[in-house]
Amino acid sequence: QSALTQPASVSGSPGQSITISCTGTSSDVGGYKYVSWFQQHPGKAPKLMIYEVSSRPSGVSNRFSGSKSGNTASLTISGLQAEDESDYYCSSYTSSSTWVFGGGTKLTVL
Amino acid sequence: QVQLVESGGGVVQPGRSLRLSCAASGFTFSSYGVHWVRQAPGKGLEWVAVISSDGNNKYYADSLKGRFTISRDNSKNTLYLQMNSLRVEDTAVYYCAKDYYRFDYWGQGTLVTVSS
Repeated sequence: QSALTQPASVSGSPGQSITISCTGTSSDVGGYKYVSWFQQHPGKAPKLMIYEVSSRPSGVSNRFSGSKSGNTASLTISGLQAEDESDYYCSSYTSSSTWVFGGGTKLTVL
Repeated sequence: QVQLVESGGGVVQPGRSLRLSCAASGFTFSSYGVHWVRQAPGKGLEWVAVISSDGNNKYYADSLKGRFTISRDNSKNTLYLQMNSLRVEDTAVYYCAKDYYRFDYWGQGTLVTVSS
């Protein structure tokens, strides 16, 4: 159960778009549609932003979108806003019927 | 509204046991699988375990090596995590999260500190 690989940090200016990658294997990200993305502000619980690769829960801004190609999933945030500055984590179901998270990415809005 | 409230955390010595609880409300608890996820101080999220809606299927992170047991009481709308042989490295905030495939709602977490 190795953690999924995410960049440690990304940054962007207000109004720009950024993409966070999440790389796994064919036994997790590449093999299943159960890839999710979470936003976590300091001291707070994680919040679901994307589920099943590209679906958005009600109430989540359509500036957030998800996709997957092969063993890599991606979260794109368009029209970057100051409030988007946070930590982001991906997760995936695995072939062992378990779950695995990415190491997390710190998004800085410049 | 959906609520998940964890409890049972605290300071415990290495080698001792602790049982965490997660009280659910605002949804039909017995219809959903539920997870435990932990986060060590300053670190990322680590998946711990999941239990199916009826309690018959349970899966654990390999790193736990049989020390933790997940269970649920659907009559009490409560999820549990029995943690045995605790180690310093088990120090973390422990969250419960609803839905087997979505993790769509999370509790606020309970802090477990393992220290002598």
